[in-house]
Amino acid sequence: GQQLNQSPQSMFIQEGEDVSMNCTSSSIFNTWLWYKQEPGEGPVLLIALYKAGELTSNGRLTAQFGITRKDSFLNISASIPSDVGIYFCAGLLTGANSKLTFGKGITLSVRP
Amino acid sequence: IAGITQAPTSQILAAGRRMTLRCTQDMRHNAMYWYRQDLGLGLRLIHYSNTAGTTGKGEVPDGYSVSRANTDDFPLTLASAVPSQTSVYFCASSNRGWDEQFFGPGTRLTVL
Repeated sequence: GQQLNQSPQSMFIQEGEDVSMNCTSSSIFNTWLWYKQEPGEGPVLLIALYKAGELTSNGRLTAQFGITRKDSFLNISASIPSDVGIYFCAGLLTGANSKLTFGKGITLSVRP
Repeated sequence: IAGITQAPTSQILAAGRRMTLRCTQDMRHNAMYWYRQDLGLGLRLIHYSNTAGTTGKGEVPDGYSVSRANTDDFPLTLASAVPSQTSVYFCASSNRGWDEQFFGPGTRLTVL
């Protein structure tokens, strides 16, 4: 089946730094989504991307839908301690058997 | 407060017992989903329902059953729990198809 690759599994950054996360797939998708999960809670949608090449921002977050439709990245600028959490990418190929496929997530730690 | 509620928050269960995890949403979303989250494996879809009265199998359906008698409720049943079903279970809903899913707070289930 479809698989999304997120690596590394964990990232450690200093408060104030920018961080970029990639998500790649061997299959194409026509929607890319980025979710954040904080400890003890369910994932929350951060950004949704619907067109190849699309670049979308949400505050300090910027995400892009790769032109090949097989990748996406999420950038967090000027990180703050509350950015800690697990960041999941998810891809969707709409159609008769569409399903949302999640990556395994990247755990982000921010040192004050 | 609009959203998704899950019950119980956590449960310890003896192997072989029957267990139903409850999920209720008040957003009148058509679609609902059940995922399990395991360390290193991310979120995996168990079952889904595109609309009341219909259900479908996800990536890991074995050992689980669901029903969707109405729009708001989507219970997940483990007929005879096994230790490999120890996990955190998330219910989600959406109103635009598979994208933009809203997640509940999760149920932590331990099967001994």
